[in-house]
Amino acid sequence: KAGVTQTPRYLIKTRGQQVTLSCSPISGHRSVSWYQQTPGQGLQFLFEYFSETQRNKGNFPGRFSGRQFSNSRSEMNVSTLELGDSALYLCASSFGGGQTGELFFGEGSRLTVL
Amino acid sequence: DAKTTQPPSMDCAEGRAANLPCNHSTISGNEYVYWYRQIHSQGPQYIIHGLKNNETNEMASLIITEDRKSSTLILPHATLRDTAVYYCIVRPTGGSQGNLIFGKGTKLSVKP
Repeated sequence: KAGVTQTPRYLIKTRGQQVTLSCSPISGHRSVSWYQQTPGQGLQFLFEYFSETQRNKGNFPGRFSGRQFSNSRSEMNVSTLELGDSALYLCASSFGGGQTGELFFGEGSRLTVL
Repeated sequence: DAKTTQPPSMDCAEGRAANLPCNHSTISGNEYVYWYRQIHSQGPQYIIHGLKNNETNEMASLIITEDRKSSTLILPHATLRDTAVYYCIVRPTGGSQGNLIFGKGTKLSVKP
């Protein structure tokens, strides 16, 4: 079956702009999580959505937001971009619902802020 | 902060077993040990997880000490394609499934 799909794979923005990233989870998965990966901070949890509700949130400013649609697809938005937002943004899906199991990660969206 | 400690790097000869250690001395009774790996420029990939018994799948074996304070991931016959950063993670059962706390991991280099 198809894996986690993230779009776009690469994008370049300038400071002050905003960006929206998209994630399509594996069919049947209801939980979508977002992570930011930078060389300095490593992989950091942004937020998790389950059945269109944000279930958990990491320690990021309010400029980072997300949402989940009824078909489980998710988007994350970063407003007023800063140079430090340059990173690989990874989406992961799982069945959710408190089950113990694996997360399936997408290939990521690489954002460069100039 | 991550609740695990791993060596920053390890080398392994191709075809030999790679044994990656992880210390999780503060693990709670309801926390699982998970292993993921990340090959350069790709998303992390799940390898295996366990609670207290040793586990084996087609990719690797997980050995958890009896006191659960440490574990070892074993790749029985390492190949060049196993070169990656390996992350050991502890997380509780149930609850939010998507919130993993990644540490810095171990960079495994498999050499010919």
